[in-house]
Amino acid sequence: EAQVTQNPRYLITVTGKKLTVTCSQNMNHEYMSWYRQDPGLGLRQIYYSMNVEVTDKGDVPEGYKVSRKEKRNFPLILESPSPNQTSLYFCASSLYQGAGTNYGYTFGSGTRLTVV
Amino acid sequence: SQQGEEDPQALSIQEGENATMNCSYKTSINNLQWYRQNSGRGLVHLILIRSNEREKHSGRLRVTLDTSKKSSSLLITASRAADTASYFCATASDTGRRALTFGSGTRLQVQP
Repeated sequence: EAQVTQNPRYLITVTGKKLTVTCSQNMNHEYMSWYRQDPGLGLRQIYYSMNVEVTDKGDVPEGYKVSRKEKRNFPLILESPSPNQTSLYFCASSLYQGAGTNYGYTFGSGTRLTVV
Repeated sequence: SQQGEEDPQALSIQEGENATMNCSYKTSINNLQWYRQNSGRGLVHLILIRSNEREKHSGRLRVTLDTSKKSSSLLITASRAADTASYFCATASDTGRRALTFGSGTRLQVQP
């Protein structure tokens, strides 16, 4: 089944304790992205990757890191989580996002992160 | 930054009725997409309409796009209780980062 898999589904952690949220897609998609969803603020892009070893900042990158060493994986790293990073996180992938392309995103099921 | 703004923010209808949601956006786009999100779950892609298209159908969904007014509408015909969800429009820019920028969503409640 074509899908984007995120883990974990739920995570409660303490301030400052490094964590990684994994994301993997099995569709050979080039484009991958991380979003966070907060009430009243909608979905905001954190980071994205156009292809292996190509990553760039989205709208709200502060406090996050990403890497794209393989096409299928795009982990989100919080080096020193803070309570304002409590949110619902989504990984998404798309076949390609170059000029003039028209592809939808496939989303993972989400990771609900609470930082206390 | 939010590009699309949906209207209304919330909509409650009876099963069998039609539901119409509107989306307005600000900048030039390559395409506009609609997504559904069941409570706390991932978003599901519903339909994509290109900037040179005016109307598109998919099952009980009908999407229109008016680039001169920078607006789109999503019509769900003969709604079902299972259509209860939040619906988001998302725009893909034709320049720059080419990220999908999402609106704030319309919460649809279909009463059985």
